[in-house]
Amino acid sequence: DVKVTQSSRYLVKRTGEKVFLECVQDMDHENMFWYRQDPGLGLRLIYFSYDVKMKEKGDIPEGYSVSREKKERFSLILESASTNQTSMYLCASSLMGGWGETQYFGPGTRLLVL
Amino acid sequence: SQQGEEDPQALSIQEGENATMNCSYKTSINNLQWYRQNSGRGLVHLILIRSNEREKHSGRLRVTLDTSKKSSSLLITASRAADTASYFCATDQTGANNLFFGTGTRLTVIP
Repeated sequence: DVKVTQSSRYLVKRTGEKVFLECVQDMDHENMFWYRQDPGLGLRLIYFSYDVKMKEKGDIPEGYSVSREKKERFSLILESASTNQTSMYLCASSLMGGWGETQYFGPGTRLLVL
Repeated sequence: SQQGEEDPQALSIQEGENATMNCSYKTSINNLQWYRQNSGRGLVHLILIRSNEREKHSGRLRVTLDTSKKSSSLLITASRAADTASYFCATDQTGANNLFFGTGTRLTVIP
């Protein structure tokens, strides 16, 4: 069974703080993704990675960066958190392949920026 | 927007009834997936249907795809209270470097 874990379920940060969201998968998947989910907007892709040290921008990368130093771990970084980054953040992973591969999601991190 | 659109936005039915939700999209696709999300949790993959398939079944789930109308439907038969969740379609669009999720249908099954 694929397991994707995220470091926190809930997080409260202040404007301007640096925020790290960690995601770990245990199935040796090549691809990893970060999404944010907002009411009425569905899921939007922030960044994805198809290999260690590789990253690609998604639809909304502004204000975010990512790091993938090990295959199993994909980190999302908010360099200077802002209130409009209050959201639910979802990490996912999939086997090597195209966008038709099943994505396995973590439980999500609900981030509140004050 | 390249997202799929689910319809209806919300659906409330009695336990034992069937639930049908629809997804429409705008461009040609390689495949379409349906996911489920329990409140405040991550998404769980339900089923994938390829562009050359018209219908697919998995347990109580039945998915249809009509590429000429650019639409898909998800039917859950004999619904249970545990089916209460949000359901999303996600399209792998030809030539795009993304998986596009819709905004979801919130299904409530009343015991």
